[in-house]
Amino acid sequence: EVQLVESGGGLVQPGESLRLSCAASGFTFSSYWMYWVRQAPGKGLVWVSRISGDGSSTSYADSVKGRFTISRDNAKNTQYLQMNSLRAEDTAVYYCATSYSTIVAAPGGWGQGTLVTVSS
Amino acid sequence: QSALTQPASVSGSPGQSITISCTGTSSDVGSYNLVSWYQHHPGKAPKLMIYEGSQRPSAVSNRFSGSKSGNTASLTISGLQAEDEADYYCCSYAGRSTYVFGTGTTVTVI
Repeated sequence: EVQLVESGGGLVQPGESLRLSCAASGFTFSSYWMYWVRQAPGKGLVWVSRISGDGSSTSYADSVKGRFTISRDNAKNTQYLQMNSLRAEDTAVYYCATSYSTIVAAPGGWGQGTLVTVSS
Repeated sequence: QSALTQPASVSGSPGQSITISCTGTSSDVGSYNLVSWYQHHPGKAPKLMIYEGSQRPSAVSNRFSGSKSGNTASLTISGLQAEDEADYYCCSYAGRSTYVFGTGTTVTVI
């Protein structure tokens, strides 16, 4: 069974940094694409970033490009989201997700999310 | 990267069928057969209901089906049940390794 557990969320001030982690189990982590998706309070889901199984390919939403960095450690079955220069509009629940399969790239398994609040 | 357009809410009676639309552009929905649909109960993890436009994971009820025509994808829920009350989101591949979600639809069983 796919299990994804996010951690690292919290309250930070505008301009500060935060690193989210997502610990994975129940599947061959290195063979799957991984995602970050966020949901601001009262708003819808928004795709943030994606990373390939070997970490060589990454992509970002325009709203976070240049500020956020996605990475993964396949030896630890963990992916990360380094968030710099945080803004109030980055306040959201951040979900970690894995591709449905090694062939189907669509986000399939999801974690419960971790809340990031950016406020002074 | 503009969000795909979904109706804010759709409602139906138990046993009825409802359809949720998801309208994008020729750069996303219209260009790829890579639309997925998610059911999201607030406070819980989203659940994949449909992938690649019309494919259903084995654990998902066959009451859920997906289709696409041009720049619009659709999710149909037949035999509506109380447990289907949730928010539903479409998501499309948008090229250059990017994705875009829909604005979300709240389904109410009346």
